[in-house]
Amino acid sequence: DAGITQSPRHKVTETGTPVTLRCHQTENHRYMYWYRQDPGHGLRLIHYSYGVKDTDKGEVSDGYSVSRSKTEDFLLTLESATSSQTSVYFCAISDLGQDYEQYFGPGTRLTVT
Amino acid sequence: RKEVEQDPGPFNVPEGATVAFNCTYSNSASQSFFWYRQDCRKEPKLLMSVYSSGNEDGRFTAQLNRASQYISLLIRDSKLSDSATYLCVVPPGSSASKIIFGSGTRLSIRP
Repeated sequence: DAGITQSPRHKVTETGTPVTLRCHQTENHRYMYWYRQDPGHGLRLIHYSYGVKDTDKGEVSDGYSVSRSKTEDFLLTLESATSSQTSVYFCAISDLGQDYEQYFGPGTRLTVT
Repeated sequence: RKEVEQDPGPFNVPEGATVAFNCTYSNSASQSFFWYRQDCRKEPKLLMSVYSSGNEDGRFTAQLNRASQYISLLIRDSKLSDSATYLCVVPPGSSASKIIFGSGTRLSIRP
Protein backbone atom coordinates (compact mmCIF):
# COMPACT_ATOMS: atom_id res chain seq x y z
CA ASP A 1 0.00 0.00 0.00
CA ALA A 2 1.13 3.55 -0.76
CA GLY A 3 2.44 5.41 2.26
CA ILE A 4 -0.31 7.94 2.84
CA THR A 5 -1.67 8.95 6.22
CA GLN A 6 -4.35 11.41 7.16
CA SER A 7 -4.92 13.12 10.46
CA PRO A 8 -7.14 13.33 12.31
CA ARG A 9 -9.16 10.29 11.25
CA HIS A 10 -12.30 11.57 12.94
CA LYS A 11 -13.25 15.04 14.06
CA VAL A 12 -16.35 16.70 15.41
CA THR A 13 -16.33 20.47 15.44
CA GLU A 14 -18.75 23.34 15.79
CA THR A 15 -19.99 25.67 13.10
CA GLY A 16 -17.72 28.66 12.66
CA THR A 17 -14.53 27.09 13.95
CA PRO A 18 -11.44 26.66 11.76
CA VAL A 19 -10.36 23.12 10.98
CA THR A 20 -7.15 21.82 9.40
CA LEU A 21 -6.77 18.34 7.99
CA ARG A 22 -3.36 16.92 7.23
CA CYS A 23 -2.22 14.53 4.53
CA HIS A 24 1.26 13.05 4.75
CA GLN A 25 2.96 10.87 2.14
CA THR A 26 6.21 8.96 2.11
CA GLU A 27 6.19 8.18 -1.63
CA ASN A 28 7.74 11.46 -2.83
CA HIS A 29 4.91 11.85 -5.37
CA ARG A 30 4.62 15.25 -6.98
CA TYR A 31 0.84 15.52 -7.10
CA MET A 32 -1.49 15.58 -4.12
CA TYR A 33 -5.27 15.96 -4.03
CA TRP A 34 -8.05 16.62 -1.59
CA TYR A 35 -11.50 15.17 -2.26
CA ARG A 36 -14.74 15.07 -0.37
CA GLN A 37 -17.21 12.21 -0.63
CA ASP A 38 -20.89 12.60 0.05
CA PRO A 39 -23.80 10.23 -0.62
CA GLY A 40 -25.12 10.69 -4.14
CA HIS A 41 -22.20 12.84 -5.26
CA GLY A 42 -19.26 10.48 -5.38
CA LEU A 43 -15.80 11.93 -4.92
CA ARG A 44 -15.40 15.60 -5.76
CA LEU A 45 -12.09 17.37 -6.12
CA ILE A 46 -11.58 20.27 -3.72
CA HIS A 47 -8.00 21.38 -4.43
CA TYR A 48 -4.89 19.81 -5.74
CA SER A 49 -1.17 20.48 -5.75
CA TYR A 50 1.32 19.91 -8.54
CA GLY A 51 4.38 20.77 -6.50
CA VAL A 52 5.59 22.54 -3.40
CA LYS A 53 3.70 25.84 -3.12
CA ASP A 54 1.84 25.08 -6.39
CA THR A 55 -1.88 24.52 -5.95
CA ASP A 56 -5.06 24.86 -7.98
CA LYS A 57 -8.78 24.77 -7.36
CA GLY A 58 -11.01 21.83 -8.02
CA GLU A 59 -14.73 21.48 -8.52
CA VAL A 60 -15.84 22.41 -4.98
CA SER A 61 -13.17 24.76 -3.60
CA ASP A 62 -15.38 27.43 -1.98
CA GLY A 63 -14.81 27.56 1.78
CA TYR A 64 -11.55 25.62 1.59
CA SER A 65 -7.90 26.60 1.33
CA VAL A 66 -4.78 24.48 1.02
CA SER A 67 -1.08 24.74 1.56
CA ARG A 68 1.91 22.65 0.61
CA SER A 69 5.21 23.78 2.06
CA LYS A 70 6.89 20.37 1.77
CA THR A 71 6.60 17.58 -0.77
CA GLU A 72 5.25 15.18 1.83
CA ASP A 73 2.54 17.33 3.44
CA PHE A 74 -0.67 18.79 2.01
CA LEU A 75 -2.95 20.66 4.38
CA LEU A 76 -6.65 21.37 3.88
CA THR A 77 -8.16 24.19 5.93
CA LEU A 78 -11.79 25.01 6.48
CA GLU A 79 -11.59 28.66 7.49
CA SER A 80 -14.98 28.69 9.19
CA ALA A 81 -16.63 25.28 9.19
CA THR A 82 -20.27 24.96 8.15
CA SER A 83 -22.66 22.03 8.44
CA SER A 84 -22.53 21.59 4.65
CA GLN A 85 -18.86 20.65 5.05
CA THR A 86 -19.75 17.56 7.05
CA SER A 87 -18.27 14.87 4.86
CA VAL A 88 -15.57 12.26 4.45
CA TYR A 89 -12.35 13.80 3.17
CA PHE A 90 -9.83 11.78 1.20
CA CYS A 91 -6.32 12.72 0.27
CA ALA A 92 -4.73 11.15 -2.79
CA ILE A 93 -1.31 11.17 -4.41
CA SER A 94 -0.10 10.63 -7.94
CA ASP A 95 3.34 10.48 -9.45
CA LEU A 96 2.38 11.74 -12.90
CA GLY A 97 -0.77 13.83 -12.57
CA GLN A 98 -4.52 13.72 -13.07
CA ASP A 99 -4.38 11.48 -16.14
CA TYR A 100 -2.70 8.69 -14.22
CA GLU A 101 -3.30 6.42 -11.25
CA GLN A 102 -4.02 7.93 -7.84
CA TYR A 103 -3.56 6.33 -4.44
CA PHE A 104 -5.77 7.30 -1.56
CA GLY A 105 -5.30 7.84 2.13
CA PRO A 106 -7.66 6.25 4.68
CA GLY A 107 -9.91 9.32 4.94
CA THR A 108 -11.02 11.77 7.61
CA ARG A 109 -14.60 11.74 8.80
CA LEU A 110 -15.56 15.32 9.70
CA THR A 111 -18.79 16.30 11.41
CA VAL A 112 -19.71 19.95 11.80
CA THR A 113 -22.46 20.50 14.37
CA ARG B 1 -25.56 14.64 -20.10
CA LYS B 2 -23.61 14.21 -16.85
CA GLU B 3 -19.85 14.18 -17.28
CA VAL B 4 -19.53 10.68 -15.86
CA GLU B 5 -22.54 8.47 -15.34
CA GLN B 6 -22.83 5.09 -13.66
CA ASP B 7 -25.80 2.92 -12.81
CA PRO B 8 -25.87 3.12 -9.00
CA GLY B 9 -27.24 -0.42 -8.67
CA PRO B 10 -27.29 -2.31 -6.45
CA PHE B 11 -26.43 -5.29 -8.60
CA ASN B 12 -27.25 -8.38 -6.58
CA VAL B 13 -25.84 -11.54 -8.16
CA PRO B 14 -25.08 -15.09 -6.98
CA GLU B 15 -21.56 -16.25 -6.33
CA GLY B 16 -19.95 -17.59 -9.51
CA ALA B 17 -22.00 -15.38 -11.83
CA THR B 18 -20.65 -12.99 -14.40
CA VAL B 19 -21.62 -9.37 -13.98
CA ALA B 20 -20.91 -6.29 -16.05
CA PHE B 21 -21.59 -2.62 -15.65
CA ASN B 22 -20.92 0.43 -17.74
CA CYS B 23 -19.73 3.96 -17.24
CA THR B 24 -20.52 6.66 -19.80
CA TYR B 25 -18.49 9.85 -20.10
CA SER B 26 -18.78 13.09 -22.03
CA ASN B 27 -15.17 14.37 -22.21
CA SER B 28 -13.84 13.13 -25.55
CA ALA B 29 -10.36 14.45 -24.68
CA SER B 30 -9.84 11.82 -21.99
CA GLN B 31 -7.22 9.27 -22.99
CA SER B 32 -7.02 7.12 -19.89
CA PHE B 33 -9.66 5.67 -17.62
CA PHE B 34 -9.70 3.88 -14.32
CA TRP B 35 -11.84 1.59 -12.24
CA TYR B 36 -11.51 1.83 -8.49
CA ARG B 37 -13.04 -0.42 -5.90
CA GLN B 38 -14.33 1.03 -2.63
CA ASP B 39 -15.39 -1.03 0.35
CA CYS B 40 -17.82 0.39 2.87
CA ARG B 41 -16.23 3.23 4.90
CA LYS B 42 -12.85 2.66 3.28
CA GLU B 43 -10.74 4.52 0.76
CA PRO B 44 -10.98 3.82 -2.98
CA LYS B 45 -8.37 1.41 -4.29
CA LEU B 46 -7.20 1.16 -7.86
CA LEU B 47 -8.61 -1.89 -9.60
CA MET B 48 -7.73 -1.40 -13.26
CA SER B 49 -6.29 1.15 -15.63
CA VAL B 50 -7.49 1.42 -19.22
CA TYR B 51 -5.18 3.23 -21.63
CA SER B 52 -6.20 1.68 -24.96
CA SER B 53 -9.13 -0.49 -25.98
CA GLY B 54 -9.14 -2.61 -22.88
CA ASN B 55 -7.36 -4.43 -20.12
CA GLU B 56 -7.68 -7.83 -18.47
CA ASP B 57 -6.50 -8.91 -15.06
CA GLY B 58 -7.58 -12.35 -13.95
CA ARG B 59 -11.35 -12.39 -13.54
CA PHE B 60 -11.65 -8.69 -14.36
CA THR B 61 -11.90 -7.19 -17.84
CA ALA B 62 -12.24 -3.52 -18.62
CA GLN B 63 -13.16 -2.38 -22.11
CA LEU B 64 -13.22 1.04 -23.69
CA ASN B 65 -15.53 2.13 -26.48
CA ARG B 66 -14.37 5.56 -27.59
CA ALA B 67 -16.96 5.93 -30.33
CA SER B 68 -19.83 5.53 -27.88
CA GLN B 69 -17.87 7.03 -24.97
CA TYR B 70 -18.24 4.36 -22.38
CA ILE B 71 -16.08 1.96 -20.45
CA SER B 72 -17.26 -1.30 -19.03
CA LEU B 73 -16.14 -3.60 -16.24
CA LEU B 74 -16.77 -7.33 -16.46
CA ILE B 75 -16.29 -9.60 -13.48
CA ARG B 76 -16.28 -13.34 -14.14
CA ASP B 77 -16.77 -16.10 -11.57
CA SER B 78 -17.73 -13.54 -8.95
CA LYS B 79 -16.66 -14.06 -5.34
CA LEU B 80 -18.24 -12.92 -2.12
CA SER B 81 -15.20 -10.67 -1.67
CA ASP B 82 -16.09 -8.79 -4.86
CA SER B 83 -18.96 -7.11 -3.00
CA ALA B 84 -18.07 -3.42 -3.04
CA THR B 85 -18.78 -0.17 -4.85
CA TYR B 86 -17.00 0.25 -8.17
CA LEU B 87 -16.04 3.77 -9.18
CA CYS B 88 -15.39 4.85 -12.72
CA VAL B 89 -12.81 7.62 -13.08
CA VAL B 90 -12.36 9.83 -16.12
CA PRO B 91 -9.26 12.05 -16.05
CA PRO B 92 -9.45 15.39 -17.85
CA GLY B 93 -7.11 14.76 -20.78
CA SER B 94 -6.23 18.44 -20.74
CA SER B 95 -5.08 21.02 -18.21
CA ALA B 96 -8.29 22.97 -18.69
CA SER B 97 -10.44 20.32 -17.05
CA LYS B 98 -10.42 18.36 -13.83
CA ILE B 99 -10.69 14.70 -12.98
CA ILE B 100 -14.23 13.37 -12.52
CA PHE B 101 -15.28 10.38 -10.44
CA GLY B 102 -18.49 8.54 -11.09
CA SER B 103 -20.85 8.07 -8.15
CA GLY B 104 -20.23 4.35 -8.21
CA THR B 105 -22.05 1.10 -8.86
CA ARG B 106 -22.81 -1.01 -5.83
CA LEU B 107 -22.29 -4.75 -6.26
CA SER B 108 -23.48 -7.36 -3.81
CA ILE B 109 -22.55 -11.01 -4.26
CA ARG B 110 -24.79 -13.50 -2.47
CA PRO B 111 -23.80 -17.06 -1.49
